[in-house]
Amino acid sequence: GNSVTQMEGPVTLSEEAFLTINCTYTATGYPSLFWYVQYPGEGLQLLLKATKADDKGSNKGFEATYRKETTSFHLEKGSVQVSDSAVYFCALSDTGGYQKVTFGIGTKLQVIP
Amino acid sequence: EPEVTQTPSHQVTQMGQEVILRCVPISNHLYFYWYRQILGQKVEFLVSFYNNEISEKSEIFDDQFSVERPDGSNFTLKIRSTKLEDSAMYFCASSALVKVSDQPQHFGDGTRLSIL
Repeated sequence: GNSVTQMEGPVTLSEEAFLTINCTYTATGYPSLFWYVQYPGEGLQLLLKATKADDKGSNKGFEATYRKETTSFHLEKGSVQVSDSAVYFCALSDTGGYQKVTFGIGTKLQVIP
Repeated sequence: EPEVTQTPSHQVTQMGQEVILRCVPISNHLYFYWYRQILGQKVEFLVSFYNNEISEKSEIFDDQFSVERPDGSNFTLKIRSTKLEDSAMYFCASSALVKVSDQPQHFGDGTRLSIL
């Protein structure tokens, strides 16, 4: 079955530091890949997505590239802000049928001034 | 921007009691989902629902669980006889199309269910 593995954290960074959160996946077929973000007290929000190999998803300064050869979808941001403090979930979904989303464990990011 | 709304935000229930969690999906969406997240664990798929029937369900979604779309706007999850291990955050989601790659699922803020 499908699975997603991501670093558990917590990750603590100073403002303006570079962020990488690693994510690898196992899937049958050719999944779509996502990063969701959960800010404190809020629900899950889609941050970015990629639907095929070498696609780069980007939003709010965050980027992730769909790497089929390494089955990875690492999240990066060049300069984090305090407002980026949240839990980040890597996720995937099959492209056929009624697609449930399979999530990673989530990585808590804390950015300090 | 339209959003998925869930009520209540926190539900406390005695073990063995029935509980109903409510969700109002985005109005033009056709596909509805429930997920749950036990504290410190992954967000797990429970069930998907389309055209007034269950499309897919996980092994978690046993006979104690049921879903319903009682009217044109609400989507509910019922747990018939709650157990301590049902304590979790429950997320509702909806999407316009079946292909998540084309139209990702939109999630609500969740209902925190605490079983005493």
